[in-house]
Amino acid sequence: SQKIEQNSEALNIQEGKTATLTCNYTNYSPAYLQWYRQDPGRGPVFLLLIRENEKEKRKERLKVTFDTTLKQSLFHITASQPADSATYLCALSDTGGFKTIFGAGTRLFVKA
Amino acid sequence: GAVVSQHPSWVICKSGTSVKIECRSLDFQATTMFWYRQFPKQSLMLMATSNEGSKATYEQGVEKDKFLINHASLTLSTLTVTSAHPEDSSFYICSAPTSAGGLRETQYFGPGTRLLVL
Repeated sequence: SQKIEQNSEALNIQEGKTATLTCNYTNYSPAYLQWYRQDPGRGPVFLLLIRENEKEKRKERLKVTFDTTLKQSLFHITASQPADSATYLCALSDTGGFKTIFGAGTRLFVKA
Repeated sequence: GAVVSQHPSWVICKSGTSVKIECRSLDFQATTMFWYRQFPKQSLMLMATSNEGSKATYEQGVEKDKFLINHASLTLSTLTVTSAHPEDSSFYICSAPTSAGGLRETQYFGPGTRLLVL
């Protein structure tokens, strides 16, 4: 069955450092991959989308890589801030977005 | 950006009662909306796809008679949890995809509804 794995352990980093989150998947060939941020008790907020034919995408302090051979995506937050503390979800979608599956997320804590 | 609202944000009800949750796209039209359920520290689980003007499509294992979905207009979808029981207590989130180039890519999520059934 299709499976997305994100590190279930929380990631604790110091302010100013780069946070790197990992998303691995199996039994799936997504057309694109997305990263969302979710704060406690809130719905997810879209951050970045990267397509299967793209290797890297950047948006301000955020960078996403997508390796379809390794079936892995890395999500980087540079110059991290305490306000970046949240849970980050990885999501895979088929062509047309008819089916999207979400990972359980990785909790990030950025300490001042 | 696209905004999706949900109402109510919190609901507490007695076992056996029905609860209706509304999902609205405020500044765009959504022919499709998704309903998810999320348990603590778990991923979003898709319950059903709501389609304007037609019947909803339910995921395997989701009882359509228990979770009634009505997509009444291009900006409103409702989820009714009928005869709610404590095991239905969860965080319910709706989303509406954008329709860039005919593809339903990015999803814009509502703030979620916390349901507690006593």
